Amino acid sequence: AQSVAQPEDQVNVAEGNPLTVKCTYSVSGNPYLFWYVQYPNRGLQFLLKYITGDNLVKGSYGFEAEFNKSQTSFHLKKPSALVSDSALYFCAVRAWTGGGADGLTFGKGTHLIIQP
Amino acid sequence: KAGVTQTPRYLIKTRGQQVTLSCSPISGHRSVSWYQQTPGQGLQFLFEYFSETQRNKGNFPGRFSGRQFSNSRSEMNVSTLELGDSALYLCASSRGPTYGWAFGSGTRLTVV
Repeated sequence: AQSVAQPEDQVNVAEGNPLTVKCTYSVSGNPYLFWYVQYPNRGLQFLLKYITGDNLVKGSYGFEAEFNKSQTSFHLKKPSALVSDSALYFCAVRAWTGGGADGLTFGKGTHLIIQP
Repeated sequence: KAGVTQTPRYLIKTRGQQVTLSCSPISGHRSVSWYQQTPGQGLQFLFEYFSETQRNKGNFPGRFSGRQFSNSRSEMNVSTLELGDSALYLCASSRGPTYGWAFGSGTRLTVV
């Protein structure tokens, strides 16, 4: 079984400050990790993914994430937050085993609020 | 390039009825998956299709079913609707397992 934990329901950051949204995962097999963002009444927008290779992944809108295998974490980061970054963020994992890939398992989501 | 298209956007059904939701993936994407999003349970995986074959299925009752056509378009069906089926149903498409999934805007189903 695979699972994702986003320990914070809400993260508050002042505009211009760095932000971090935390994610830890549990899988059997190699993890494929993803971050998505959701704006009100909209579907999910893809931000970035880690499949293999460099542990630091850069994605859309200036976001990046660091894959840490020993801590089974994939925290989302941005050096300088914008008010427009305020949204609901989801971390997701998909395990790849020799028999194929499992479906995406999502965390509960973290509300990111950027204060002007 | 058109994104993932889901129809209808909104739907109101009566308990006991059945409903069919439609999803058109991005051109060239052969994998399609479906998710249910509710405030209480969050995003939950329903099923995934590739080349008309169901590859994975989440932990949902048999009232939830789906299929994929030869043109990669997909439908999901929920029979004998219950109040708890009220949710945002999201469809996603992908080029393959190492690629990200592109999501549609969803179908908001309300069961009354």
